[in-house]
Amino acid sequence: EVQLVESGGGLVQPGGSLRLSCAASGFNSNNYAMHWVRQAPGKGLEWISGISWNSGRLNYAESVRGRFTISRDDAKHSLYLQMNSLRAEDSALYYCTKDAGSGSDQREYFFDSWGQGTLVAVSS
Amino acid sequence: DIVMTQSPDSLAVSLGERATINCKSSQSVLYTPNHKNYLAWYQQKPGQPPKLLISWASSRESGVPDRFSASGSGTDFILTISSLQAEDVAVYFCHQYYSSPPTFGGGTKVEIK
Repeated sequence: EVQLVESGGGLVQPGGSLRLSCAASGFNSNNYAMHWVRQAPGKGLEWISGISWNSGRLNYAESVRGRFTISRDDAKHSLYLQMNSLRAEDSALYYCTKDAGSGSDQREYFFDSWGQGTLVAVSS
Repeated sequence: DIVMTQSPDSLAVSLGERATINCKSSQSVLYTPNHKNYLAWYQQKPGQPPKLLISWASSRESGVPDRFSASGSGTDFILTISSLQAEDVAVYFCHQYYSSPPTFGGGTKVEIK
């Protein structure tokens, strides 16, 4: 069974930093692209970043480009999101998701597994 | 970016009745070389993460009840719940993966009348 478990969320002041982690199990995560999708309370879904299977393709939403960095450690079957210069509008539940593809063809596919999410609150 | 517009924002349907959700993309998500529509549907129950229901516009995921069906092509898509059950109360999202960035519709909340 595919499991994605996020951690690292919390309360941070505007301008601060957080590093989110996602531990993957139940599948060979090394073969798949992975993504971060966020959802503000009571709002819709926003894709924010994706990484291909070999880290050769990194992709970001305009809203976070230059502030957030996605990475993966395949030896640890883990996905990360380094978030700097945080703003109030970054407050959301952050989901780790598994892509149905590897990203080797330079595109994203649908997200066939989701974690439970980790909550980030940016406030003074 | 491709804008995904869902309608209605919410609907209330009696148990056993049909629920229909619409999703419209601002440009076609049909990739002509393979005749595939790069469109997925997700169900999000209260307090839970989204769950993939449908990929490629009409392909139901394993384990998804057959009362869920989806259709459409190009820019206009429909998700249908043929006979609403209590456990179908949720928010439903469409998602295009035709081009980056991937984008989602705003969601449709389905409730029991």
